[in-house]
Amino acid sequence: EPEVTQTPSHQVTQMGQEVILRCVPISNHLYFYWYRQILGQKVEFLVSFYNNEISEKSEIFDDQFSVERPDGSNFTLKIRSTKLEDSAMYFCASSLEAGGFQPYEQYFGPGTRLTVT
Amino acid sequence: DQQVKQNSPSLSVQEGRISILNCDYTNSMFDYFLWYKKYPAEGPTFLISISSIKDKNEDGRFTVFLNKSAKHLSLHIVPSQPGDSAVYFCAAIGSSNTGKLIFGQGTTLQVKP
Repeated sequence: EPEVTQTPSHQVTQMGQEVILRCVPISNHLYFYWYRQILGQKVEFLVSFYNNEISEKSEIFDDQFSVERPDGSNFTLKIRSTKLEDSAMYFCASSLEAGGFQPYEQYFGPGTRLTVT
Repeated sequence: DQQVKQNSPSLSVQEGRISILNCDYTNSMFDYFLWYKKYPAEGPTFLISISSIKDKNEDGRFTVFLNKSAKHLSLHIVPSQPGDSAVYFCAAIGSSNTGKLIFGQGTTLQVKP
């Protein structure tokens, strides 16, 4: 069964450093997403990406964040200068559709645990 | 901005009985709802979904009910199994049709053998 994969599973970085989190979405999916979950809190939307551009981003997704689909398979989230409060689980997801009344499923990867020290 | 709420942080059920997980929402523009199951250190796993034009969707042991007038949905698991023990999240698609999911806080289900 196709699945979303993410690397690395755990990333430790020092405050102020840049990190790149990598994802390989399901191959025939068209919509790509990043979410995060701070320990003990709900899963929060960061950004959605379609047709090589951002379709929606949350207030969390400020200028320190960027996304890219550098080739036909990878989808990356870059945090330019990490802060302590960026420590969280980051989940990549993908879907064939983006909502509406048609059947819709968004599939998640296993996550990358980012620890900023 | 808690547009999707799961008011019960935890639920404990005996194996073989029914588990009912509840979710409320405030935005009447939501048009699709999903339930996810999550184990520790894993990503959310899609379980079942429902469009706002329906009031019920069933898949094996899982049934989701939607009451639009009450802005309430519930997930029924019958019969419950110990392997169902996990955190369950309800999520709604925002009205923007960009695929943004808005999650509830989650309910931890424990199914006792």
